[in-house]
Amino acid sequence: SQQGEEDPQALSIQEGENATMNCSYKTSINNLQWYRQNSGRGLVHLILIRSNEREKHSGRLRVTLDTSKKSSSLLITASRAADTASYFCATPEGDDKIIFGKGTRLHILP
Amino acid sequence: DTAVSQTPKYLVTQMGNDKSIKCEQNLGHDTMYWYKQDSKKFLKIMFSYNNKELIINETVPNRFSPKSPDKAHLNLHINSLELGDSAVYFCASSLRLAGPSTDTQYFGPGTRLTVL
Repeated sequence: SQQGEEDPQALSIQEGENATMNCSYKTSINNLQWYRQNSGRGLVHLILIRSNEREKHSGRLRVTLDTSKKSSSLLITASRAADTASYFCATPEGDDKIIFGKGTRLHILP
Repeated sequence: DTAVSQTPKYLVTQMGNDKSIKCEQNLGHDTMYWYKQDSKKFLKIMFSYNNKELIINETVPNRFSPKSPDKAHLNLHINSLELGDSAVYFCASSLRLAGPSTDTQYFGPGTRLTVL
């Protein structure tokens, strides 16, 4: 299975600090996506990075992709209370689906 | 103007009952999905439909039957509910099939199913 694996499973940091979470996957991919899930809500797409990109930014988010190590990282800078959520990476599998990892639960402390 | 909507939001029912969850998207997407999220937040794909045609049936028990009357709707009917069916069920849609495409998936708010 292609399933990505996020690390750490859970992360608590102080508001204003940076949060970094990682995703490792097993086989070659042409893109990788990150999604956020707030408590009791559906997933929301954050960012997509293609296999020919090494780094991508979106607001306070920075995503890196290292295809040689089959890993990606999501950095959230200057964290806010509203960033408290679960974060999932998703990778394509076959021609018809993407597979989500188990997620990193991020808790921002006031 | 919710993009992907699901009803009901909560569903509490007895073992053995039959229930349905409805999903609608107003994004004009061709592809719709059903996912199951367990208590550990693991999100697993169950079905996908592309233009009303079943594409993925991810070894889901045949007690689960999706129905797509048109490409904007994908409903999920569950027969003979079991305790293990308790989970949050998410509907999602994307412009095209996931996998080869880079299209974003848009998720509904989820239906929390509790089987007693």
